Amino acid sequence: GNSVTQMEGPVTLSEEAFLTINCTYTATGYPSLFWYVQYPGEGLQLLLKATKADDKGSNKGFEATYRKETTSFHLEKGSVQVSDSAVYFCALRQGAQKLVFGQGTRLTINP
Amino acid sequence: ETGVTQTPRHLVMGMTNKKSLKCEQHLGHNAMYWYKQSAKKPLELMFVYSLEERVENNSVPSRFSPECPNSSHLFLHLHTLQPEDSALYLCASSQELADRTDTQYFGPGTRLTVL
Repeated sequence: GNSVTQMEGPVTLSEEAFLTINCTYTATGYPSLFWYVQYPGEGLQLLLKATKADDKGSNKGFEATYRKETTSFHLEKGSVQVSDSAVYFCALRQGAQKLVFGQGTRLTINP
Repeated sequence: ETGVTQTPRHLVMGMTNKKSLKCEQHLGHNAMYWYKQSAKKPLELMFVYSLEERVENNSVPSRFSPECPNSSHLFLHLHTLQPEDSALYLCASSQELADRTDTQYFGPGTRLTVL
């Protein structure tokens, strides 16, 4: 079945550091890929998405490229801020099947 | 973002109580979902509704009873819960269930504590 694997957290960085959160997936066919973010005490918010190979999703300085050859959708940001502290979820969806989430990566940014 | 609202935001209940969680979406979507988020566990999809019909029920205990009276509202009725049911319950909606590019929009969740 379909699955998503994220890098183990928690991840702690200093402000203005470069961020990468790894995400790889297993799926037959061509899923759509998503990154969601959950700030403390809130629900999930869509951060970005990509629906076909080589697409790049971007939002709020975050980027992720759909890499079919490596089945990856790594999240990157060039310079993180304290306000980026949150839990990040990678997810995929294929056809009418349900959204499949990774386990989440907790990110803490120190000033 | 107020596209999907949930009430109450926090709920404490005893094991013999009956309560309901409410979700409302203002996005004109056709599909609605209930998820359970427990500490240290992946998000669990509980129920899916499309055009007010239940299309998925992921082996959820009968003490959880969903209701979708129209495409904008979704309820989760709770009765005789167990302490292990304490979690964050998230509602989501999306435009079209069958489209793989379809994005789900989440509400803020209800933090449920069962004593």
